[in-house]
Amino acid sequence: DAGVTQSPTHLIKTRGQHVTLRCSPISGHKSVSWYQQVLGQGPQFIFQYYEKEERGRGNFPDRFSARQFPNYSSELNVNALLLGDSALYLCASSLWAGDTEAFFGQGTRLTVV
Amino acid sequence: QKEVEQNSGPLSVPEGAIASLNCTYSDRGSQSFFWYRQYSGKSPELIMSIYSNGDKEDGRFTAQLNKASQYVSLLIRDSQPSDSATYLCAAPGGDDYKLSFGAGTTVTVRA
Repeated sequence: DAGVTQSPTHLIKTRGQHVTLRCSPISGHKSVSWYQQVLGQGPQFIFQYYEKEERGRGNFPDRFSARQFPNYSSELNVNALLLGDSALYLCASSLWAGDTEAFFGQGTRLTVV
Repeated sequence: QKEVEQNSGPLSVPEGAIASLNCTYSDRGSQSFFWYRQYSGKSPELIMSIYSNGDKEDGRFTAQLNKASQYVSLLIRDSQPSDSATYLCAAPGGDDYKLSFGAGTTVTVRA
């Protein structure tokens, strides 16, 4: 069975640009969460989506947005990129919104220059 | 106070020894706890889930949960060089089912 897949794996963007990251959850999983991990820290929660609805949002600016599609895949969008947005962006898949057991994709390494 | 805190690393152990990692959490209502292993440059991999007080064993890994003291630990027995990684402790934070992570403990197993 395929695990959580994310694309792209690496990305380099310039300050002020916009970026879209994509995630497909494990088959049968309906909840997708996004996390940001900067070097030396644990992942920080950005969003959780379940059944196309936003169920939770972390302490991130409005430049960050996300959505979930009918097939449960998800996109994370970041506008007006800052150097500080450089990080590993992780997508986590779980069965449903209340299921805290989460499985991560390989991540997207975003570098903002 | 951070929601999940891990004892500061890094931790260096000889091959074959026991590595002991500790984690404390602040939300007394948390019911589930997780240990993730993260190799350098890779994403976190779920290695242990524990929901009840006591010990849970899976191969060379044992997770221990003490809800009264609000701590969870991970023991790695017969440590191997392949166990060299950063280990992240996680617990639910708040009622939106996010996971809160500790900063991680980096383990190095010396051959």
